[in-house]
Amino acid sequence: GQNIDQPTEMTATEGAIVQINCTYQTSGFNGLFWYQQHAGEAPTFLSYNVLDGLEEKGRFSSFLSRSKGYSYLLLKELQMKDSASYLCAVSLLGGSYIPTFGRGTSLIVHP
Amino acid sequence: DGGITQSPKYLFRKEGQNVTLSCEQNLNHDAMYWYRQDPGQGLRLIYYSQIVNDFQKGDIAEGYSVSREKKESFPLTVTSAQKNPTAFYLCASSTSGNQPQHFGDGTRLSIL
Repeated sequence: GQNIDQPTEMTATEGAIVQINCTYQTSGFNGLFWYQQHAGEAPTFLSYNVLDGLEEKGRFSSFLSRSKGYSYLLLKELQMKDSASYLCAVSLLGGSYIPTFGRGTSLIVHP
Repeated sequence: DGGITQSPKYLFRKEGQNVTLSCEQNLNHDAMYWYRQDPGQGLRLIYYSQIVNDFQKGDIAEGYSVSREKKESFPLTVTSAQKNPTAFYLCASSTSGNQPQHFGDGTRLSIL
């Protein structure tokens, strides 16, 4: 099985930087997804990391360390609209690669 | 525009009743999925299908059934055997399992 761990809730100030961590314990790791989900809405894809390192997309960046079983999502220049749940999902090698989701981190951005 | 559509947005079920949630995609994706989301929980996989006329159980398939007769459609039936069906149900599709998923807007099911 897989064990995926994320903080339940985080708060941050508008304009600041926040880092949301995700740790996982699994065998046969393939890749790690990050999704954003606003309350009552569908999740939307943010990033997919397969190799070690940092990938930047505008205000959002995602980092992966395969040897440490660790990823983080970095959000810069926070805006109120970034208040949402951030879901980490791990896919495994072989078979169907179907990703398993963590419980999500609820981020609250305040003025 | 391509996308994935779920209907209805809200659904109410009486005790002992089966209900079917619709999911249609025009993205030409081979893989489709059904997830259940409860408050404070992540997405839990109910069923998935990687090709027409084939589907596999996920982690919480008991009390649910699916069909995949067409590439575009993957309906989910919540049967009376599912004792705690109240939840937010999300359908998703992707080109394959290790590619990003596109999600529908969800169906919120409640028990009367």
